[in-house]
Amino acid sequence: DAGVIQSPRHEVTEMGQEVTLRCKPISGHDYLFWYRQTMMRGLELLIYFNNNVPIDDSGMPEDRFSAKMPNASFSTLKIQPSEPRDSAVYFCASSLPRYTGELFFGEGSRLTVL
Amino acid sequence: AQSVTQLGSHVSVSEGALVLLRCNYSSSVPPYLFWYVQYPNQGLQLLLKYTSAATLVKGINGFEAEFKKSETSFHLTKPSAHMSDAAEYFCAVSRSGSARQLTFGSGTQLTVLP
Repeated sequence: DAGVIQSPRHEVTEMGQEVTLRCKPISGHDYLFWYRQTMMRGLELLIYFNNNVPIDDSGMPEDRFSAKMPNASFSTLKIQPSEPRDSAVYFCASSLPRYTGELFFGEGSRLTVL
Repeated sequence: AQSVTQLGSHVSVSEGALVLLRCNYSSSVPPYLFWYVQYPNQGLQLLLKYTSAATLVKGINGFEAEFKKSETSFHLTKPSAHMSDAAEYFCAVSRSGSARQLTFGSGTQLTVLP
């Protein structure tokens, strides 16, 4: 069974540009999470969805960040406009309907904003 | 509030030596505790979890951890380090076992010396 799939794996862009990160969760998982990882702040939960509905977006840093989940197999995290301080690795993770304590992470999208 | 503290951001051991990675938690209620591992350029994957059953928990790749309530600790150990164990290790706590309430530690980078 395929794991969580993220794209792109690497993105280099210039300040002010729009960035869209994509995620396909594991089939049958109804929780989807977006995390950001930086050296300074470690792993931060940005937002999570349950059954495609955003439940908690309190970790989204600013209005420049938005996330959507139009269906059970696809989610996007968008940054508009991007800034150099947004440079990080962004992870998508999913979990089973009956939570067992295990998150399944994608390989991450490394974003560099110049 | 819940939190985890990982003592030592970097740990180096020789191949074949004991691995000990330290984690202390704080939680107002009995916690669920987890260890995740992150190999270079990959997402996190679950090593093991404690969910109030046996205090000694065995995980994948020969790792185990012991829950000690009196010490509020959940240290990760492996009797004999292998080169392939080189990775970053994260301790995490959840108040209810919910993925949406996971709090990750800052991580410990394990280096295995030949």
